[in-house]
Amino acid sequence: AQSVTQLGSHVSVSEGALVLLRCNYSSSVPPYLFWYVQYPNQGLQLLLKYTTGATLVKGINGFEAEFKKSETSFHLTKPSAHMSDAAEYFCAVSDRDTGNQFYFGTGTSLTVIP
Amino acid sequence: DAGVTQSPTHLIKTRGQQVTLRCSPISGHKSVSWYQQVLGQGPQFIFQYYEKEERGRGNFPDRFSARQFPNYSSELNVNALLLGDSALYLCASSPSPSSYNEQFFGPGTRLTVL
Repeated sequence: AQSVTQLGSHVSVSEGALVLLRCNYSSSVPPYLFWYVQYPNQGLQLLLKYTTGATLVKGINGFEAEFKKSETSFHLTKPSAHMSDAAEYFCAVSDRDTGNQFYFGTGTSLTVIP
Repeated sequence: DAGVTQSPTHLIKTRGQQVTLRCSPISGHKSVSWYQQVLGQGPQFIFQYYEKEERGRGNFPDRFSARQFPNYSSELNVNALLLGDSALYLCASSPSPSSYNEQFFGPGTRLTVL
């Protein structure tokens, strides 16, 4: 089974600073990769996904992520943090062979300091 | 367009009771998945249904069961509730269970077991 690791359960950045949230997956065959955001008392909203093609993927709200096969990573970045970015972020993967049954990381809580 | 809807929003049960959670997918989506999100953790895959057939099951006991109806809505049933079943239960839909498809999540049902 897939395993997803999100380093750093809590990340704090100043408003306007770079946001970097880390995600690593375990399988030798690259899965499909997703980043979701969860605001308090809400469901999950897709930020971006990587399936094939260009390894740098742009998503909503200025976020982007880069798939690096050699590092089995799919880190999420945003050049300038905004107060509204404060939320819980989840990295998820799906195996190419077993359908879109997602395996999620444990999440990273992002705090933005004014 | 309406997103994924779930009912009820909140639910309080006592140990040993049974509970039924309901989900309506986005119109046109034929695949429904259920996830359990315990406080402070990422969602864990429970079931996936497609065209009324079970396509996948996560590592959950037989107390958990689900079904999908002809209109593609779904129910999740949990019998003999335990304290550890307290969680946010998320329903997600997608057009099909293909691995590259993102999942669209509902707001969840918050289950508290006393």
